[in-house]
Amino acid sequence: QVQLQESGPGLVKPSETLSLTCTVSGGSVTSDYWSWIRQPPGKGLEWIGDIYHRGITNYNPSLKSRVTLSVDTSKNQLSLRLTSVTATDTAVYYCARDLQAEYSSGWSIYFAPWGQGTLVTVSS
Amino acid sequence: QSVLTQPPSVSAAPGQKVTISCSGTSSNIGNNYVTWYQQFPGTAPRLLIYDNNKRPSGIPDRFSGSKSGTSATLGITGLQTGDEADYYCGTWDNSLRAGVFGGGTRLTVL
Repeated sequence: QVQLQESGPGLVKPSETLSLTCTVSGGSVTSDYWSWIRQPPGKGLEWIGDIYHRGITNYNPSLKSRVTLSVDTSKNQLSLRLTSVTATDTAVYYCARDLQAEYSSGWSIYFAPWGQGTLVTVSS
Repeated sequence: QSVLTQPPSVSAAPGQKVTISCSGTSSNIGNNYVTWYQQFPGTAPRLLIYDNNKRPSGIPDRFSGSKSGTSATLGITGLQTGDEADYYCGTWDNSLRAGVFGGGTRLTVL
């Protein structure tokens, strides 16, 4: 079955760029949409955005100006870049397979499975 | 401030039934499908219910979902201490063009 594993620096300085990688195993990054979701310590979930391997992306409007998602099909990896970070970007960052479909009765979108998550702290 | 509204906490005794509500608008729940996730402390969320009321394989039928108008409900019957977790609802928002979640509900099994 599909498994995901996030990796990257656990500490980033304010105003710098946060960069994370998600390695997909047991499946291909070309087969589905993939989302990034974050969770500040002790708080709820926030959807960052999603990507399809053909370069189709959707971003949360609240983060759109600072985030870039990409896919490396040769490595079967996803990447997240978030620029100009502040302490409010401190969170556990998750990647997840994004299963979505549009029906006559509306959009269906859900995330499964998820990676284990990686904590990124923004601090000098 | 989350787009979807959930109660911060609910509690019930072992063996009892509990419901968790999720309120939204016509921009999200009212015109799209609802999903529920279960999260234990220190672990990633797990898909519990999708498309309002469907359970992935491996999820017991003690968990159920429903939707009416701009609100959705997660029901859990035969409560077990192992059900103590945080529960999140989620859906797509047509106006924001983004995935959205509720703030989460902490379930305590007394």
